Amino acid sequence: EILMTQSPATLSVSPGERVTLSCRASQSVSSNLAWYQQKPGQAPRLLLYGASTRATGIPAGFSGSGSGTEFTLTISSLQSEDFAVYYCQQYNIWPLTFGGGTKVEIK
Amino acid sequence: EVQLLESGGGLIQPGGSLRLSCAASGFTFNNYAMSWVRQAPGKGLEWVSAISGSGGGTYYADSVKGRFTISRDNSKNTLYLQMNSLRAEDTAVYYCARKGPYGDYWYFDLWGRGTLVTVSS
Repeated sequence: EILMTQSPATLSVSPGERVTLSCRASQSVSSNLAWYQQKPGQAPRLLLYGASTRATGIPAGFSGSGSGTEFTLTISSLQSEDFAVYYCQQYNIWPLTFGGGTKVEIK
Repeated sequence: EVQLLESGGGLIQPGGSLRLSCAASGFTFNNYAMSWVRQAPGKGLEWVSAISGSGGGTYYADSVKGRFTISRDNSKNTLYLQMNSLRAEDTAVYYCARKGPYGDYWYFDLWGRGTLVTVSS
C-alpha cells in the first residue's frame, strides 16, 4: 500500500497570502495524483487531477506540480472561501490511498 | 442536475448488517465506474470499494474485504454497499463518488453528501 504523507498538518494563513501544501508518496505514483478540498460538513470537491490539471470550474488560482513522489498544491492568493482541509490521493496503484490532509485555517 | 444521493445509514450494533444506496441522476450512470469512500468522525478520507461501469469488476480495501460487497443496478441508476459483520471502526460517513471519465484513472469528480453509519451497542 502506498502511504501518502501531507505536510504541514495545519497551516495558519492570512487572506491574500500565497499557500503551498505538500504531499509525498512512499513510492512513485507517476502523475496519478489528485487534490481535493473539503469544507466542514461538506463532501470533498475535486480540485486537480493528473497532478496539475484543474477540474471543471476550479479557478486558476489553484495550481499543482510534481511527479513521482513529491507533489505540491499552490493557492496563489488565499480567499475566505479557501479555508478548508485539503487532501491528496494517489490512483497509480491499488488500493487507492489518501493523505491525512492539511487544514488551512485563518491566522 | 448532476448529483449523487446516499441513503441507508444509521445506528447498528456490532456484528450487524446494513445496506447503503446511492442514487445517481443527471448523467449516464452505466458509463461511469463508481466507488465508496468513508470518513471516520474527525478523521481523513479512506477508500473502501470500487466497481466498474458494467459491474463486472470490483475492488476492495483490505479493511473491508470479505465483509462488504459493492454492487450496482444500472437499470435503477443506483450503487449499493452491503456491509456485514460491522465493527466499531466502521463508524464513518460513507460517501458515494464517481470516477473521472477518462481511462483507468481513479480520481473522483463527483461526490454525494454522505450517509452516517454508527456502529455501537
